[in-house]
Amino acid sequence: DTGVSQNPRHKITKRGQNVTFRCDPISEHNRLYWYRQTLGQGPEFLTYFQNEAQLEKSRLLSDRFSAERPKGSFSTLEIQRTEQGDSAMYLCASDRVTDTEAFFGQGTRLTVV
Amino acid sequence: QKEVEQNSGPLSVPEGAIASLNCTYSDRGSQSFFWYRQYSGKSPELIMFIYSNGDKEDGRFTAQLNKASQYVSLLIRDSQPSDSATYLCAVNRPGGYQKVTFGTGTKLQVIP
Repeated sequence: DTGVSQNPRHKITKRGQNVTFRCDPISEHNRLYWYRQTLGQGPEFLTYFQNEAQLEKSRLLSDRFSAERPKGSFSTLEIQRTEQGDSAMYLCASDRVTDTEAFFGQGTRLTVV
Repeated sequence: QKEVEQNSGPLSVPEGAIASLNCTYSDRGSQSFFWYRQYSGKSPELIMFIYSNGDKEDGRFTAQLNKASQYVSLLIRDSQPSDSATYLCAVNRPGGYQKVTFGTGTKLQVIP
């Protein structure tokens, strides 16, 4: 499978716990994006990496959220002290400069109970 | 005003009919326009993208763009039950990377 891979696919956590998601982009893609999608809404942009540099962060990305892409390959998104409002599908996408669109992974569905 | 607006639906059409999905956007600087299909519980998948005014056809799908009216639409001909999904309109500003703004989506139901 050469697409964008996200793990885990589903995560249930108790409020207040920390969670970490992983995204493995398509191998030659140097640009990586995180989006969040809540029920009945379209995906909302969270952050963007070019190689290992985090070049843009949405105001949606509160200080409880942190994203990294340490070697310019896979990326992690960590949520500290989860809240029920964090329940959503977290989507990762990647592309190259020459691509016309970014390619989405299957997402990680987070449920905070 | 939302940046990208879509009627949430559901839009119900009989099998074989033409489904027409509409989207308006507020940022005149928007440069790229996308239609994604999203099945329940799945991630969005790209159906069409369009950059220039006019129509762009791909199989049963036609995207239409009118920048003066800030309007983009998607027509699905010969609708099939498998087309039943939420259709997301998305726009991108020039900036060198794919930071797109999505609408809330229109739910399409194709009735057999």
